[in-house]
This record gives sequence, C-alpha cells and structure tokens, in this order.
Amino acid sequence: DAGVIQSPRHEVTEMGQEVTLRCKPISGHNSLFWYRQTMMRGLELLIYFNNNVPIDDSGMPEDRFSAKMPNASFSTLKIQPSEPRDSAVYFCASSLEFRLGGPSNQPQHFGDGTRLSIL
Amino acid sequence: QQQVKQSPQSLIVQKGGISIINCAYENTAFDYFPWYQQFPGKGPALLIAIRPDVSEKKEGRFTISFNKSAKQFSLHIMDSQPGDSATYFCAASRGNNNDMRFGAGTRLTVKP
Repeated sequence: DAGVIQSPRHEVTEMGQEVTLRCKPISGHNSLFWYRQTMMRGLELLIYFNNNVPIDDSGMPEDRFSAKMPNASFSTLKIQPSEPRDSAVYFCASSLEFRLGGPSNQPQHFGDGTRLSIL
Repeated sequence: QQQVKQSPQSLIVQKGGISIINCAYENTAFDYFPWYQQFPGKGPALLIAIRPDVSEKKEGRFTISFNKSAKQFSLHIMDSQPGDSATYFCAASRGNNNDMRFGAGTRLTVKP
C-alpha cells in the first residue's frame, strides 16, 4: 500500500529560481497538508486542502509561496522567487476528512519530505 | 501558531528506563491528541493518539496520560530501547477540522 509520495527528495537551487515541490497523497484521502520543518520553528502548517479546495492558507509565509491541487491525486507547492531563508524540509501529508457519522480526526500520514536548499 | 507547548526539548534515557515527554495546550476546543515519531530522513509517523473522553491510553510500551482540567497530556515510553531514539511530536486538533497544531518536538536518545 503506497504512502504519501513526495518529489524530489532533495533540491538544491540558487536564490531567485523557481522551485516546485510535488506530492501524491494516499489514494482515497481527501485532505492534504503542506508543512515546513526547520530547527528554529519546528513543524509549521503552511496550507491544507479538503476535496482539492484550499481551506486555510494562513500559514503561507508570503506571496512568493503558492499551492495548488488540480485533482485528488496531485498537489504542488511553488516558491517563486526562492530565497535562502526558504531552506527547510517540506512535508506533505494526507488524511481522510471527517465525515458525519464516522470517526473524527483522522490521523495524518506524512511523506518523507523534500529537503530544499537555496544557495 | 504555537498552540501546543512541548517539553523537554531533548531527553537522554538509559536502556530500560522510562521516557516522559509533556505537552500543554491552550485551545479547549481541541479534542484529538496524537503523538508522532520521526526518524532522521523520514516524515513523522503516527505513534498513538487519545481523545479527551479517556484519561489514559496504552499501546504496548507507549502510554498517553491526559489531564483535561490541566490541559496537559504526556507520553510515557516504558522499557525504553535504543530503537526508540527519535524525535517525538505531540499535536492537537479539533472537531471535524483536520487542522493540526504540533509541539516543537523532543529529541529522545536512549543509551544502550
């Protein structure tokens, strides 16, 4: 059973370049989350989607960051232009959305992350 | 965004000892409290979770203790093993909202 798949695993690029991170959620999951992890700030929620619709993007640091989910099996996080302070590990996670009559608060399943280094 | 406070930042325990990690939350609307385990180079993985209608949940060597009135919960790892060395995150979310808030993490080292 495939888990959350992220690509690339590592990305090194120069400041000012566009960076695109990709995520394939677990089949059947309809909530998708993007997180950023750094030593200083820990694990931060950037944005999450329910049924391909962005629900809360209040964690997106600034307009240089954008995320899309064109369909249930694919999402991207884009940084343009990138800056050295964007260097971090970016995680994608997916879960089943709460449904009336079902168990609430489904656990989130994480991918192995993309380690991004901006020089 | 820090709504869940976790301590200690790091913890060193001898093999066979008990590891205890504590978390406190602010939002009384939170009703789901999972713990995640993360190994280097990997994403966090769900370890154990509790809802506020119970005060304790045990799965093998891992136990969550929950104190609703104090808004605190903790993870106890009994008979700690070197393979338990990892970073542990507590988290909290509410209702039918999948938005989850994570603690800052605790790096656990179990010495053989």
